[in-house]
Amino acid sequence: GAVVSQHPSRVICKSGTSVKIECRSLDFQATTMFWYRQFPKQSLMLMATSNEGSKATYEQGVEKDKFLINHASLTLSTLTVTSAHPEDSSFYICSASGVGTRRNEKLFFGSGTQLSVL
Amino acid sequence: RKEVEQDPGPFNVPEGATVAFNCTYSNSASQSFFWYRQDCRKEPKLLMSVYSSGNEDGRFTAQLNRASQYISLLIRDSKLSDSATYLCAVNRGGGADGLTFGKGTHLIIQP
Repeated sequence: GAVVSQHPSRVICKSGTSVKIECRSLDFQATTMFWYRQFPKQSLMLMATSNEGSKATYEQGVEKDKFLINHASLTLSTLTVTSAHPEDSSFYICSASGVGTRRNEKLFFGSGTQLSVL
Repeated sequence: RKEVEQDPGPFNVPEGATVAFNCTYSNSASQSFFWYRQDCRKEPKLLMSVYSSGNEDGRFTAQLNRASQYISLLIRDSKLSDSATYLCAVNRGGGADGLTFGKGTHLIIQP
């Protein structure tokens, strides 16, 4: 099956720093990448959808200037949490669909990044 | 009404028993439905897609009821390794991409 590699798996940072999370599709072309966030005992909440080569579409309530998404190639998408604060501490996870996968039906998830902001 | 609702549990079930979960969704335009399994702080793993005709995969059976807008998951002969959180997911419909997830139902299989 399709593989999505997500790094880092865990980040601990100081308040005010920026953190970049990478997701790579290893054996297919990810035309669409979804970024989710999950707080403890909560559901996965979609933050934004990005299509390769175009600007990301953010969900209501998600600050696009705080959560920068870049999807410049068919195999790489990045999420940068700028000026992170303790309330940004969460589990961030990407999922991809695209060439070689059934669009919008089967998503392939990265392994997630646990962000802890001190 | 929340977009996708599940009973969070936990469901404490003895090994070998049968357990069933339901999940309701509010978006009547949704066309695709899924059950995922998520272990603590791991990525969700697709358990099965849910079709109108119902589908079965080994000990797992999924059903869709469009009229009442719910999906169900039945696990027979439960194993200790079935302990996890089970998330239902529904596509957002109306041409929008992405899935909407429920909070998950926590299942604990007891020896």
